[in-house]
Amino acid sequence: EVQLEESGGGLVQPGGSLRLSCAASGFNLGDFYMTWIRQSPGRGLEWVANIKDDGSEKSYVDSVKGRFTISRDNAKNFLYLQMSSLRVEDTALYFCVRGSRNFVYWGQGSLLTVSS
Amino acid sequence: DIQMTQSPSSLSASVGDRVTITCRASHSISSYLNWYQQKPGKAPKLLIYGVSTLQSGVPSRFSGSGSGTDFTLTISSLQPEDFATYYCQQSYNTPRTFGQGTKLEIQ
Repeated sequence: EVQLEESGGGLVQPGGSLRLSCAASGFNLGDFYMTWIRQSPGRGLEWVANIKDDGSEKSYVDSVKGRFTISRDNAKNFLYLQMSSLRVEDTALYFCVRGSRNFVYWGQGSLLTVSS
Repeated sequence: DIQMTQSPSSLSASVGDRVTITCRASHSISSYLNWYQQKPGKAPKLLIYGVSTLQSGVPSRFSGSGSGTDFTLTISSLQPEDFATYYCQQSYNTPRTFGQGTKLEIQ
């Protein structure tokens, strides 16, 4: 059974940093693109970043470029999202998602709140 | 970025009704259009990909159509479990983008 479990969310002050992790199980992580998608009442569903199966290519939405870094450790079956220079508008539920185009498997989400 | 616009934003309907939700892309996305269903407290669930292909396990009362910039999701006969929020998403290029959602409520 494919499972994705996010962790690492919490309350952070504006300008702070945080790393989200996603533990993958039930499949070989190294065979798939992976994606982070976030959801907030104000911005709806927003694609944040994706990473190629071998980590060689990464893409980001403009609003997080230069602040967020997506990475993966296929040997440990983990996906990561390192977030820095956090803003209030980054507040959202962050989902770890398998795939690049069609998103079948989602985690339950990790909540990030950016507030002073 | 490609903007995805759904209409209506909300819709009231009754069990057994036929409902249609539309999604318009700001640029042509060929057939790279997906539909998701989301219920409160849950992650979105993929219903349809590539405009009209039903994801495994999705009931046949759901159907999709369109091409280029204009797309529709149709539920032929609403069931109680269909009351949820529906999103379209383009997979033509990055950043992938979603519509703002259509909340389907019980009338």
